[in-house]
Amino acid sequence: AQTVTQSQPEMSVQEAETVTLSCTYDTSESDYYLFWYKQPPSRQMILVIRQEAYKQQNATENRFSVNFQKAAKSFSLKISDSQLGDAAMYFCALVGTYKYIFGTGTRLKVLA
Amino acid sequence: DGGITQSPKYLFRKEGQNVTLSCEQNLNHDAMYWYRQDPGQGLRLIYYSQIVNDFQKGDIAEGYSVSREKKESFPLTVTSAQKNPTAFYLCASSGGGGFGETQYFGPGTRLLVL
Repeated sequence: AQTVTQSQPEMSVQEAETVTLSCTYDTSESDYYLFWYKQPPSRQMILVIRQEAYKQQNATENRFSVNFQKAAKSFSLKISDSQLGDAAMYFCALVGTYKYIFGTGTRLKVLA
Repeated sequence: DGGITQSPKYLFRKEGQNVTLSCEQNLNHDAMYWYRQDPGQGLRLIYYSQIVNDFQKGDIAEGYSVSREKKESFPLTVTSAQKNPTAFYLCASSGGGGFGETQYFGPGTRLLVL
């Protein structure tokens, strides 16, 4: 069975500071993908970053980067220079062969 | 603008009633998905469709039905067999490059039971 665990229900970060959201997963698949999605108060899910498991290089997207540790089955998201607009729920997701598993989310608060 | 639309934004269901949630996309995507989101939980997959006239059950398909007669449309019917339908429903689509393609989401429909 595939599982995704986000152990931090809520995190806070000061504006302009850096924060890391954790995600661990488990899968028996050899071919899979990992995602971070953001859900702002509007509730529309927005892609933050995508990682292909076969790629060693950590994905980055502007201020967002991941630390992908395949052996440890860890996929954390680092947000640099946090902005007020980053406040949202963040979901980690694991996609195996047409299996889509989302974590329970981490609520990020950004303090001015 | 390309995107995914869902309607209505809010939907009320009476006991024993079937209701249908609409999802339309103009992204020319082959695959479409329906998820359910409950408070404190992540998204759970209800149904998905990789191609027109074909769809597969997800993890929580009981009490739901879908159709995929057109590439652009993937309506979800919540039947009276679904005993706890109150939730936020999200539709998504992705390109035809395989299961690892990025999913793009609609704005969602909140379903409430009267």
